[in-house]
Amino acid sequence: AQSVTQPDIHITVSEGASLELRCNYSYGATPYLFWYVQSPGQGLQLLLKYFSGDTLVQGIKGFEAEFKRSQSSFNLRKPSVHWSDAAEYFCAVGLNTGFQKLVFGTGTRLLVSP
Amino acid sequence: NAGVTQTPKFRVLKTGQSMTLLCAQDMNHEYMYWYRQDPGMGLRLIHYSVGEGTTAKGEVPDGYNVSRLKKQNFLLGLESAAPSQTSVYFCASTRLEGQPQHFGDGTRLSIL
Repeated sequence: AQSVTQPDIHITVSEGASLELRCNYSYGATPYLFWYVQSPGQGLQLLLKYFSGDTLVQGIKGFEAEFKRSQSSFNLRKPSVHWSDAAEYFCAVGLNTGFQKLVFGTGTRLLVSP
Repeated sequence: NAGVTQTPKFRVLKTGQSMTLLCAQDMNHEYMYWYRQDPGMGLRLIHYSVGEGTTAKGEVPDGYNVSRLKKQNFLLGLESAAPSQTSVYFCASTRLEGQPQHFGDGTRLSIL
């Protein structure tokens, strides 16, 4: 069965430090890949997406992600974290099933220390 | 543009009561989805719709029913609420296969 793994439940990063959130997926073909961010009490906001082409994708708020087919990974990065980045981040895989089925990881909560 | 709007935002029910959650989107999207979010489990798909008048079961459909009588609305019903249905419910929509889903702000439902 398809699955998405986010191995880090919590991550604490100092403000101004770099960030990398890990995401690995299990799927036979190349899926659509997404990163969403959820602030407390809010819905999910799309940060970036990968469909095809350049494996390094840029998103909003200074985030980027790199698709590595050989590792089945789609890690999210940011060079300098801001306190406002504290939130929960979800990686999701979109599957070609005749409708757009999204399989979500369990999320990584980012804490930003001063 | 309102995007995806969910009502209500909060609700407390007693076991056995029924209620309907409403999702409305103003983006003319074909596909609509209902998810539930529970701690440590990410989002799980309850039901989805690929167009007006169609619905289908997702990953965790038991105890829920849905209807999509109008393209812009997707209703999620709980006929007899159970404490296990305490969760945050999210509605989402998208236009095309492969395009990102747009999410509402969620409905926090507690069942006592």
